[in-house]
Parts: sequence; structure tokens; C-alpha cells
Amino acid sequence: NAGVMQNPRHLVRRRGQEARLRCSPMKGHSHVYWYRQLPEEGLKFMVYLQKENIIDESGMPKERFSAEFPKEGPSILRIQQVVRGDSAAYFCASSIQGDYGYTFGSGTRLTVV
Amino acid sequence: TQLLEQSPQFLSIQEGENLTVYCNSSSVFSSLQWYRQEPGEGPVLLVTVVTGGEVKKLKRLTFQFGDARKDSSLHITAAQPGDTGLYLCAGESGRRALTFGSGTRLQVQP
Repeated sequence: NAGVMQNPRHLVRRRGQEARLRCSPMKGHSHVYWYRQLPEEGLKFMVYLQKENIIDESGMPKERFSAEFPKEGPSILRIQQVVRGDSAAYFCASSIQGDYGYTFGSGTRLTVV
Repeated sequence: TQLLEQSPQFLSIQEGENLTVYCNSSSVFSSLQWYRQEPGEGPVLLVTVVTGGEVKKLKRLTFQFGDARKDSSLHITAAQPGDTGLYLCAGESGRRALTFGSGTRLQVQP
């Protein structure tokens, strides 16, 4: 009974490169959420997706960031032309519709050098 | 914009002491959740409170949701070193995306 799987766990990118973060939700969960956490801070909501639909992307920067949750395969958070300020831990969570509890993955720690 | 303020931000206590962490907002939430996060890991859900005035107990941890559903507290009795970690409260509103507090970093010294 695998939980929420995120990969890679650690990602190093040079400024200007692209970063792709993947998230496979728990089995049976059709709702995926992405959050960003800066050091010593709480998590900030970025985007909420269901299969093939973006439900709420109000927390995502308008430029360089995009997210998808295709019919088959994991959810992808894509950051184009990364900058130093993108360095953070990115967490994915999933839930069953109508369930109050969210299960988080272990996160991807992005470092931009 | 909904905000959740947690206090204190840092807490260092001796094993066996009691402590309370507070989570306050001017906004009403449909539910409030408490998580614990270990270094290098994602948050792990401890409890969800839904009804105003609700009290839930999880062994030595007691969670309370305010009557107006704007605030919550976490009380730990006889803290142990294993309780060390980052405690996060998170409120859920109609759009079902969580609003997180900034966290309380607890250290329990043996």
C-alpha cells in the first residue's frame, strides 16, 4: 500500500534550466495538490488538480510554472528557466474526494545553483 | 487572503513538561488539521477537527477547535523526546486547498 510517491527526492539545477517534479498519488486518490516550503516556513499552496483538470492554480506564479495531471501517469510540476529563488522543498499531497485527510509525499528538494 | 498564525514559533522544553501550541485566524475554516513534520520528510496528519468546540485526544495529545472555528490548540502532556518536530496547523475552506500556519518547532530535551 504505497503512499504518495515523489521523485526525485533531490534535484540540482543550474540557473536557466528546467526542473520537472513528479508525483504519483495514493492508489484510489484522484485529487492532487502541490505545495512549496521555504526553510523554516510553513507550506504554501500552489495548485490543485484532478485527472486532466486544473481546479485551482491561484497559488502558482503566472510565469515559468506549470502543472498537469494526465489521465495516465504521475502529476508533473514543471519549472522553466529556474532561478535561485525557486530553491525550496516541493510537496505533493493527494486525497479522496470528500475526504478531509491529505497524505503528503516526502517532497522534492530543489536546489538552483 | 486567509492567514493562520501559530505561536510560539519555537519551544524548547524538558522531558515531562506540558506545552500548548496555538493556531489563530480571523477566518472561519470548515475543518482544521494538525500535522507533524520531521526533517527531510513530508507532513504527517495527526488529527482533523471539524465541529466548533470539538476536542480530540490522541494519547498524550489533545486537540481543540474553537467554537467559532477560527482557532485551535494542541496540548501535549508529559512531553517526550520523540515528540520533537515541526508542528503545523492547516485550515481547509470551501475550495479545499489547505492554508498552513508557519509552524511551531518543538524540541524536547531528555
